[in-house]
Amino acid sequence: AQSVTQPDIHITVSEGASLELRCNYSYGATPYLFWYVQSPGQGLQLLLKYFSGDTLVQGIKGFEAEFKRSQSSFNLRKPSVHWSDAAEYFCAVGARYGGSQGNLIFGKGTKLSVKP
Amino acid sequence: ETGVTQTPRHLVMGMTNKKSLKCEQHLGHNAMYWYKQSAKKPLELMFVYSLEERVENNSVPSRFSPECPNSSHLFLHLHTLQPEDSALYLCASSQVGAGNNEQFFGPGTRLTVL
Repeated sequence: AQSVTQPDIHITVSEGASLELRCNYSYGATPYLFWYVQSPGQGLQLLLKYFSGDTLVQGIKGFEAEFKRSQSSFNLRKPSVHWSDAAEYFCAVGARYGGSQGNLIFGKGTKLSVKP
Repeated sequence: ETGVTQTPRHLVMGMTNKKSLKCEQHLGHNAMYWYKQSAKKPLELMFVYSLEERVENNSVPSRFSPECPNSSHLFLHLHTLQPEDSALYLCASSQVGAGNNEQFFGPGTRLTVL
């Protein structure tokens, strides 16, 4: 079955420290891959996406993610975290073809806290 | 207005009430979605409309009734809800067939059922 796993429910990092949020997926073929961020009481905002080509993708707010086909992973990274990055982060996969094209499967999310 | 808007932002209702959530997208997309987001659970896809036809209903109880009168508007009609239906309801839209699945989300409606 198709699924997305975000193994870390809650991560706390110090401001200025580096960050890596993990995402693993189970899918029949290479899917589209996304990272979204959600601030409290808000909807989801797209950080970045992978469709094809370069496996290292750059997003907004200084985030990047690397698609590793052999590991079925799409981990999100940021070299230096800012206090405003505290939020919940969701990894998602989507079908490229077929009847479910357009639908996304989301992980359970990782809540990021930032210490001053 | 730009992007995806949702009204109301907050709603408190009793179990016997009837209410509706509204979503409007200003992006020219051809697909719209309703999600339920509860604490400690992944986003649950409830309904998908593509070209104004419902193409997916993920075993959602009949007390939730969607309506898509045109490609820009999506409603979720609520009646005789249960306290466990309290959640954040998110609407999203996308352009299916454009070579990507990027969904654009509204800010959500925080629903509390008493």
